[in-house]
Amino acid sequence: KAGVTQTPRYLIKTRGQQVTLSCSPISGHRSVSWYQQTPGQGLQFLFEYFSETQRNKGNFPGRFSGRQFSNSRSEMNVSTLELGDSALYLCASTEATSTDTQYFGPGTRLTVL
Amino acid sequence: QKEVEQNSGPLSVPEGAIASLNCTYSDRGSQSFFWYRQYSGKSPELIMSIYSNGDKEDGRFTAQLNKASQYVSLLIRDSQPSDSATYLCAAWAGTALIFGKGTTLSVSS
Repeated sequence: KAGVTQTPRYLIKTRGQQVTLSCSPISGHRSVSWYQQTPGQGLQFLFEYFSETQRNKGNFPGRFSGRQFSNSRSEMNVSTLELGDSALYLCASTEATSTDTQYFGPGTRLTVL
Repeated sequence: QKEVEQNSGPLSVPEGAIASLNCTYSDRGSQSFFWYRQYSGKSPELIMSIYSNGDKEDGRFTAQLNKASQYVSLLIRDSQPSDSATYLCAAWAGTALIFGKGTTLSVSS
């Protein structure tokens, strides 16, 4: 099976812009979770989608949003970018239940100038 | 707030030695625990999962779980320079997978 894929792998944006990141889970996996990873804060949970519904949300401002499509692919959007949004954004997929093993994609490195 | 705590390290061991990585978690309801390895600039890669008290072995890796003490550990036997990475401990707390900040392991040849 192909693994989790994320596009793009690298992005450079300026403050105030918005960005959309994409994630395709492992075939057959219906749950997609998003994380932000920074050197100071480690891996922080953004949100989780299952069957097109947001099932869980972390403690991030409303500028961070996401959605999931019927084919389980997911996108996350960050509006009005701030310098502090520079991070590695990771997507992880699980087969069904929320206690299943999560498999990570390669991540999208976002730099905000 | 539900937390997973790890010593940040760095933990330095010589090649061939046993590396011991430790993790504690705050949510007594957690039932599933994971160890991920992350090389610099890469995404986390699953090494081990453990759900029951006791030891679970997979090759050179052994995960240990003690739910009464809310403690999870990872032992790496015969450490190799290629094991040098950051190791992340994670625990399911409700419907969110909570990660520790990771322990950096350095194996010297």
